[in-house]
Amino acid sequence: AQSVAQPEDQVNVAEGNPLTVKCTYSVSGNPYLFWYVQYPNRGLQFLLKYITGDNLVKGSYGFEAEFNKSQTSFHLKKPSALVSDSALYFCAVRDDSNYQLIWGAGTKLIIKP
Amino acid sequence: GAGVSQSPSNKVTEKGKDVELRCDPISGHTALYWYRQSLGQGLEFLIYFQGNSAPDKSGLPSDRFSAERTGGSVSTLTIQRTQQEDSAVYLCASSFTGGPPYNEQFFGPGTRLTVL
Repeated sequence: AQSVAQPEDQVNVAEGNPLTVKCTYSVSGNPYLFWYVQYPNRGLQFLLKYITGDNLVKGSYGFEAEFNKSQTSFHLKKPSALVSDSALYFCAVRDDSNYQLIWGAGTKLIIKP
Repeated sequence: GAGVSQSPSNKVTEKGKDVELRCDPISGHTALYWYRQSLGQGLEFLIYFQGNSAPDKSGLPSDRFSAERTGGSVSTLTIQRTQQEDSAVYLCASSFTGGPPYNEQFFGPGTRLTVL
């Protein structure tokens, strides 16, 4: 069965430090992986996606994510966190056999000044 | 161009009343999704429309929930005889097509439903 796990409910990072938000997945076919961000009282915004090719994917707002097939992971990263990055982050996956996105439970990212 | 729009942005209703939530997807997007998000929680899939195909209703939590999509564009989610547990943010998303599988979904701002 397809699944996505975001093992951390909350991640706290000091401003200027690097951040990582973890995501692992399980699919039967080739994975297509997505990260979305949800700012307070706003809808979800697409950040980046992995389809194929380079394992390091760059997206909006300076975020990037690294696809690791052997570890079935797609962790979200940013070299230097900003207070404005504080939000709820969702990882999602689908494969060739299913049009539905399978969503993680979300990770609350808090960046402290 | 315009993004996905939803109306109303907020809806407060009394238990037992019916409500209608509207979604206007991005022009040209053939796939439309409804999700429900409880406070601080993840997304719960409700229903999926793709072109003129029969919708996937597998996520609807009860027969009080229904949705339609007219003319392959605007969609309405109807909740009959609302219950307090229906209180949540209802999100609509659209994408260019249900496949290939790597097309991202674009989300509307959501409708916050409160059932008193």
